[in-house]
Amino acid sequence: EADIYQTPRYLVIGTGKKITLECSQTMGHDKMYWYQQDPGMELHLIHYSYGVNSTEKGDLSSESTVSRIRTEHFPLTLESARPSHTSQYLCASSPLGTSVHNEQFFGPGTRLTVL
Amino acid sequence: AQKITQTQPGMFVQEKEAVTLDCTYDTSDQSYGLFWYKQPSSGEMIFLIYQGSYDEQNATEGRYSLNFQKARKSANLVISASQLGDSAMYFCAMREGSPNNDMRFGAGTRLTVKP
Repeated sequence: EADIYQTPRYLVIGTGKKITLECSQTMGHDKMYWYQQDPGMELHLIHYSYGVNSTEKGDLSSESTVSRIRTEHFPLTLESARPSHTSQYLCASSPLGTSVHNEQFFGPGTRLTVL
Repeated sequence: AQKITQTQPGMFVQEKEAVTLDCTYDTSDQSYGLFWYKQPSSGEMIFLIYQGSYDEQNATEGRYSLNFQKARKSANLVISASQLGDSAMYFCAMREGSPNNDMRFGAGTRLTVKP
């Protein structure tokens, strides 16, 4: 069973508010990822990290920022939420290394609605 | 270039029948892994099945099997004896053996099982 957690699960917030979506994993994985996904649509990688103090932007441009101060923790922050940020945000992790059979573990997701 | 292609945005199947979800991939690596995930309406990503490029046998996990045709670069998911609970989005993914070897996802197929 995957040990990757996201809070909150659901968030409804007004435009202009600052929000932080939390993601934590207890598997000691070095690689962590954030995906943005509209309902029933494909996953878009917005941020990833290969370890502490390593963060990179993904394929889809995002106004959000991330930090990786501890291996187990990879929070995503929106400084000023807008309705266009309404989406589901999925956090994932996997072990470091070149093995092709490393499964990627996902958190339960955060459904964000910005009014 | 798109690495993973799922050409069926939506599929319907009658309960208790089998269904095949298509996935083709593009890689020049000899070593790679192929994965299928299920995403129900609740949003979490559930790992279903894995196939390694060097595996000679098609992978099977319960009612799920992977029809792996290496020369055609296809990795179709076969679900036998469909159940109503199989209604979900299904994502095909690949991990290559390159240094960063991040997982790449297809756009997904929405499967609806009809009673």
